[in-house]
Amino acid sequence: AQSVTQLGSHVSVSEGALVLLRCNYSSSVPPYLFWYVQYPNQGLQLLLKYTSAATLVKGINGFEAEFKKSETSFHLTKPSAHMSDAAEYFCAVSLNAGKSTFGDGTTLTVKP
Amino acid sequence: DTEVTQTPKHLVMGMTNKKSLKCEQHMGHRAMYWYKQKAKKPPELMFVYSYEKLSINESVPSRFSPECPNSSLLNLHLHALQPEDSALYLCASSQTRTSPSYNEQFFGPGTRLTVL
Repeated sequence: AQSVTQLGSHVSVSEGALVLLRCNYSSSVPPYLFWYVQYPNQGLQLLLKYTSAATLVKGINGFEAEFKKSETSFHLTKPSAHMSDAAEYFCAVSLNAGKSTFGDGTTLTVKP
Repeated sequence: DTEVTQTPKHLVMGMTNKKSLKCEQHMGHRAMYWYKQKAKKPPELMFVYSYEKLSINESVPSRFSPECPNSSLLNLHLHALQPEDSALYLCASSQTRTSPSYNEQFFGPGTRLTVL
């Protein structure tokens, strides 16, 4: 069975500070991992994805994530937070069956 | 065109009404999905269509009835809903269901459904 755990349902950072959102996965086979962002009253937008081509993945809006097999982690980072980064972030894992399993989400608040 | 569109944006209905949600994509994707999302929760998968055929039904009550008339369109027919069915309904599409490299899903903006 596949699953993801997002540590910290709420993360608050100051504008300009490092953003770190944590995601750990559980999968019996090499997973495909995704980070999505959701702004209020909108759908989910893909930030980045890991598909085994490279362990460090760069995404949109300055976000990146590193796949660490030994730690079963796929944490999302951004060096400098913007006010516009405030949103809900979901980590997801997908195998071959066409089903993605989403984490419970992390709400990112950016303080001025 | 990398967009998934959903109509209507908002829908209010009574428990005896019949209504439909519509989703459309023109990216040539052959897999389409319906999700239900409650506030502050992750999306919950309801249905998956692959090549216009229903391939996954996550034990959804029969008051929700999906339909895929063609490869670009996905409908969700609603009948005799309950207040607890109030949620954001998201549609998504992906290239195919079985090719993991393309499992990236493109989401529409959702329909905010309120059942009175």
